[in-house]
Amino acid sequence: AQTVTQSQPEMSVQEAETVTLSCTYDTSENNYYLFWYKQPPSRQMILVIRQEAYKQQNATENRFSVNFQKAAKSFSLKISDSQLGDTAMYFCAFMIDFGNEKLTFGTGTRLTIIP
Amino acid sequence: EAGVTQSPTHLIKTRGQQATLRCSPISGHTSVYWYQQALGLGLQFLLWYDEGEERNRGNFPPRFSGRQFPNYSSELNVNALELEDSALYLCASSRGTVANYGYTFGSGTRLTVV
Repeated sequence: AQTVTQSQPEMSVQEAETVTLSCTYDTSENNYYLFWYKQPPSRQMILVIRQEAYKQQNATENRFSVNFQKAAKSFSLKISDSQLGDTAMYFCAFMIDFGNEKLTFGTGTRLTIIP
Repeated sequence: EAGVTQSPTHLIKTRGQQATLRCSPISGHTSVYWYQQALGLGLQFLLWYDEGEERNRGNFPPRFSGRQFPNYSSELNVNALELEDSALYLCASSRGTVANYGYTFGSGTRLTVV
């Protein structure tokens, strides 16, 4: 069975600083996909970034980037120049590539950006 | 383009009753996914419907069931409600394979069982 672990239940950082959220996962599969989702107080989950396991290059989306370490089974999210709107729950998620279309989520990290 | 819509926003039921939750995917999306988000447990996969058929099911008892209609909207039914069913229920749809596009989620239905 696949598991996703987010070891930081809560984090806070000053506005404009950089913050890194950690995520580790466990799988015996070689082909899979990783995601970071953001859930603001409005409750709607928003896709932040995705990474294919077969790609060595780390994914980047504007201020958001990942550090994907396949051997270590680690998938951390770095938020640069943090903004007040980044305050949210962040969930790491994992999916095996064989068409079951199911994501396995971690328990989330509550991130607060301090003005 | 309208997003994934869920109704009702909040639902309060008594233990033993049945709850019905509704979801409309983004226009053109044929798959609907249901997740349960209980406090402190992250999101747990419930069901996946595509083209009217149940394609995959998570580790939940049979009293959790659903269906997908010809217009691709979906219902989640929870029978014989228990206190631990209290959670946020999220519906999602996808424009293609989840691996390539991820999910687009709705804002959820908060179910409270008393």
